[in-house]
Amino acid sequence: DAGITQSPRHKVTETGTPVTLRCHQTENHRYMYWYRQDPGHGLRLIHYSYGVKDTDKGEVSDGYSVSRSKTEDFLLTLESATSSQTSVYFCATSRLLETQYFGPGTRLLVL
Amino acid sequence: AQSVTQLGSHVSVSEGALVLLRCNYSSSVPPYLFWYVQYPNQGLQLLLKYTSAATLVKGINGFEAEFKKSETSFHLTKPSAHMSDAAEYFCAVSAIGAGGYQKVTFGTGTKLQVIP
Repeated sequence: DAGITQSPRHKVTETGTPVTLRCHQTENHRYMYWYRQDPGHGLRLIHYSYGVKDTDKGEVSDGYSVSRSKTEDFLLTLESATSSQTSVYFCATSRLLETQYFGPGTRLLVL
Repeated sequence: AQSVTQLGSHVSVSEGALVLLRCNYSSSVPPYLFWYVQYPNQGLQLLLKYTSAATLVKGINGFEAEFKKSETSFHLTKPSAHMSDAAEYFCAVSAIGAGGYQKVTFGTGTKLQVIP
């Protein structure tokens, strides 16, 4: 199995607070992705990275920012959490046009 | 631009019956196509992928999918459903975007229920 970990695995936070989720990989994959999964919407891309310090927006990027200072780590920050950001967040990595490998997910509840 | 449409958010089959999960895609460039499976409280795992070689692709657990360019389809099938196949299935399309970087788009998923 690809070595992809996410932390924390579960988080409860309050509206208005900043939250950072971490994705760590040991596969040396160039591409990294953050998705959110909500019932009826499947997986929606928040942001992705195509290299260190190279990131771009996905389809639901409002309210989120990312950073990638090392190949291994991709951070997702909710700048000021809202209840609509309650979701399950998945990180994934891949090589170009190859299979995506997914982390175990982070369940975030914003009260 | 690229997109994926999965017909049927829920599909129920009897154990031993044929499984057919539908996926249609659109892509302005030759796509790579994937089927992933997600079991409860887990991340997604690859079932199979099409990468412009054989149009009939065999995956794990007895699943297969056929790439039909004329129909822009990549339907997932399994001849005989097993209880352990109950999960959510996602179709995805991957292609090189305008900036020369990979873009991946997922369908909304189909939950498969297997009835004993």
